[in-house]
Parts: sequence; C-alpha cells; structure tokens
Amino acid sequence: RKEVEQDPGPFNVPEGATVAFNCTYSNSASQSFFWYRQDCRKEPKLLMSVYSSGNEDGRFTAQLNRASQYISLLIRDSKLSDSATYLCVVSMFSGGYNKLIFGAGTRLAVHP
Amino acid sequence: GAVVSQHPSRVICKSGTSVKIECRSLDFQATTMFWYRQFPKKSLMLMATSNEGSKATYEQGVEKDKFLINHASLTLSTLTVTSAHPEDSSFYICSARVGRPSDYEQYFGPGTRLTVT
Repeated sequence: RKEVEQDPGPFNVPEGATVAFNCTYSNSASQSFFWYRQDCRKEPKLLMSVYSSGNEDGRFTAQLNRASQYISLLIRDSKLSDSATYLCVVSMFSGGYNKLIFGAGTRLAVHP
Repeated sequence: GAVVSQHPSRVICKSGTSVKIECRSLDFQATTMFWYRQFPKKSLMLMATSNEGSKATYEQGVEKDKFLINHASLTLSTLTVTSAHPEDSSFYICSARVGRPSDYEQYFGPGTRLTVT
C-alpha cells in the first residue's frame, strides 16, 4: 500500500467551478501535512499547510482528519491558472530527519 | 523566499557515461539537502539525505555506488549518476533545509531532466 494515496484524475472542470481533491495516508505517525502544486516539468511549490482545525487561503480550503487519516483540498471559483498537479504531502520523522512523503498527485485541468 | 538552484536543467548523455548534477542554496546555508527522483506521472521519491561534511543517508532500494552524493559545503551538494542507463532517465530534484532535523520546511530546486540514450 502506498504511503500517500491520491486519485490521479484528471479532473476537467470549467472556469468558476468548485473542485475537491482527497488524499489518504497510511502512517499514523505522520506529523505534518501539506498540499503542493506542481506545474508540468517544474519543481513542486508549497500551496498550503493543512491543520486539523481546517484552514483557508483565499479560494483554497484544506482539511485534515487525523482519525481517518484523510486530507482534502477544496478549490472554489477555479481559474485557468489553477491547472496543475496537486500533490498531497505528509512529513514523518524517520532516520533522524523530518522527511516529506509525496503522493503521486491529482491533475487538474480548468477549461474556459 | 529562499532560493535553490540546480545545474544543469537538462542533460542528455549516452549510456555508460556519468553525469553530475549540482544543487546550490543561493541565499542561505542549508544544514541538510535532499535528492528526489520523479518518473512521469509518479510521485517524487526521496533518494537520499545529506549533511555537509558527512556521508549521505540513502533510502532503501537506492544504490549508493550508483548515485554518488557529495555535500562539500553548506551551500552545495552534488549528485553523480554513474554509468547511467536508459532506466535512469528521470527528473531529479534537490531541496535544501535550514534549521533543525525536526524542521520540515524544504526549498526545492527547479529540477534536472536527465535523458540517457
């Protein structure tokens, strides 16, 4: 079983749509949680951290459920520029370091 | 924000040759650098973790003799893919962290696309 699992998509949505991505992680010792965005052939960039209380950054809302080991990302009022791959990431302390474990990503394509 | 550079951004080499990729933290001193590999439509996979002046710690399944990591200074780490084969073709990304081992924030380089023919 993969440590971080995501629906690969693609999600094809029109501009203005609301889209939700889900992610599950297998290791209950995971400490911190993030959503990254990766554009084609580019490095991943931190979109937002995810907290149990839920957090919002503009059109983006992230949620964490530790009990069910589930993370979500909601994007409202989608823009063409939101088209990218969204990576669910958890951090875990292992071998003396805090390491990032990446999901394979969910691809989003926003069309006019 | 913190800037990490990688060089080269793209390299094509023949099977059997070695390729060196550099990762530099430009405006900060990185206590730890990480090397990742990403195959098409797959997740980033951590290959190894390195600290300045000490041997790298490799993840399970990563051949240390094939992927040589040298962390010469607090701003430079290099990854050498030795005797490259077509299956080594991938997107290699480094990241750098400043702070304690328990800190999680990493700053990513732009990646190096390696194609072995």
